[in-house]
Amino acid sequence: DQQVKQNSPSLSVQEGRISILNCDYTNSMFDYFLWYKKYPAEGPTFLISISSIKDKNEDGRFTVFLNKSAKHLSLHIVPSQPGDSAVYFCAANPTNTGNQFYFGTGTSLTVIP
Amino acid sequence: DAGITQSPRHKVTETGTPVTLRCHQTENHRYMYWYRQDPGHGLRLIHYSYGVKDTDKGEVSDGYSVSRSKTEDFLLTLESATSSQTSVYFCAISEPGTGIYEQYFGPGTRLTVT
Repeated sequence: DQQVKQNSPSLSVQEGRISILNCDYTNSMFDYFLWYKKYPAEGPTFLISISSIKDKNEDGRFTVFLNKSAKHLSLHIVPSQPGDSAVYFCAANPTNTGNQFYFGTGTSLTVIP
Repeated sequence: DAGITQSPRHKVTETGTPVTLRCHQTENHRYMYWYRQDPGHGLRLIHYSYGVKDTDKGEVSDGYSVSRSKTEDFLLTLESATSSQTSVYFCAISEPGTGIYEQYFGPGTRLTVT
């Protein structure tokens, strides 16, 4: 049973435009969320995170939005660059479970030059 | 880049044989994890460790065991490999702080069980 869902397996965006990657979760005990980026044949790398006490966190071109009532988070990349082409995973951590993280299935982003 | 290495990087083995994957870190992080990545499932936690000789199960631990005798090494063992264990395996590390903390991942091991 997938507790973290990324319903779009792939996304294509023109260079310079906004990329919006979505993530839904079912467990109301999740209170910390992260986004990872993964290139082929490499391990995932941390991108940005957000705590449930916030609804937005920004880091350069990357912004994560959290809507707790909808159990939904999104990652916005503005402007998108060809180097952003990768698979993006969202992950969630439940309260009081130490360091257990649940990952989504990933969205493959292609930024077209 | 966090100092995490995994060995071997690729392995092909036969059903029923034992397999051990090694994760080595040079960051002195307390937490270490083993994940598997499969199409349609994303990354799933197999086991994790929160200190030397302290380990716990993740969501897909059946058929796997782990050991951590030193801070820097975390071993994943498949006692008797099955074809369903064909996957890409990632090790990750993290260090507790004042809140939740991101994980740093190794480059992965591609395991094929024939």
